[in-house]
Amino acid sequence: DTAVSQTPKYLVTQMGNDKSIKCEQNLGHDTMYWYKQDSKKFLKIMFSYNNKELIINETVPNRFSPKSPDKAHLNLHINSLELGDSAVYFCASSQGKVAGVQDTQYFGPGTRLTVL
Amino acid sequence: GNSVTQMEGPVTLSEEAFLTINCTYTATGYPSLFWYVQYPGEGLQLLLKATKADDKGSNKGFEATYRKETTSFHLEKGSVQVSDSAVYFCALTDSGAGSYQLTFGKGTKLSVIP
Repeated sequence: DTAVSQTPKYLVTQMGNDKSIKCEQNLGHDTMYWYKQDSKKFLKIMFSYNNKELIINETVPNRFSPKSPDKAHLNLHINSLELGDSAVYFCASSQGKVAGVQDTQYFGPGTRLTVL
Repeated sequence: GNSVTQMEGPVTLSEEAFLTINCTYTATGYPSLFWYVQYPGEGLQLLLKATKADDKGSNKGFEATYRKETTSFHLEKGSVQVSDSAVYFCALTDSGAGSYQLTFGKGTKLSVIP
């Protein structure tokens, strides 16, 4: 069974469109994250939710909006897509709020977004 | 703020060679340190971690020691295999700064040739 899953795996779309990426974890974790990995492989946190509550909201355009319907799901919606949004987006989860110190973050396989 | 600096890649080694990937950090509090590995086409997996000074993390033949005096957490393996080809990320969390997220280095791509 996949611990952290993301759909779709690949997403190709035109500039200006709105798209969503879904993430689900079956580990019973309380905290979920979205990371963006650029073309140079640099990873940066975007958002984190703990029990459906937003706890990290880094400086990302407000075109990006996370939504957590329950603690097992954290979806990422992107409005008015731009060329610079092309990247790989990773979802992750961990048991507690303080990621890493007591817990391991488990990552999904990633969603490769290409904006044309 | 927090930051992680790791050696530029790519690194290409022959099978059974010794591997070192350097990692240094800056942090405002008391960081925990991690190495994550990303195999081609996959997500990140935790490779090893260390939560306090002088701790040594180890897994799958890889080791890294938390050196507070040099603010370093270098990754080593005595004999690499082709299957170790991947991108390796050094990362930290810093409880002193009150932050919850992982701060990653830029990754080092390792290619091991037979």
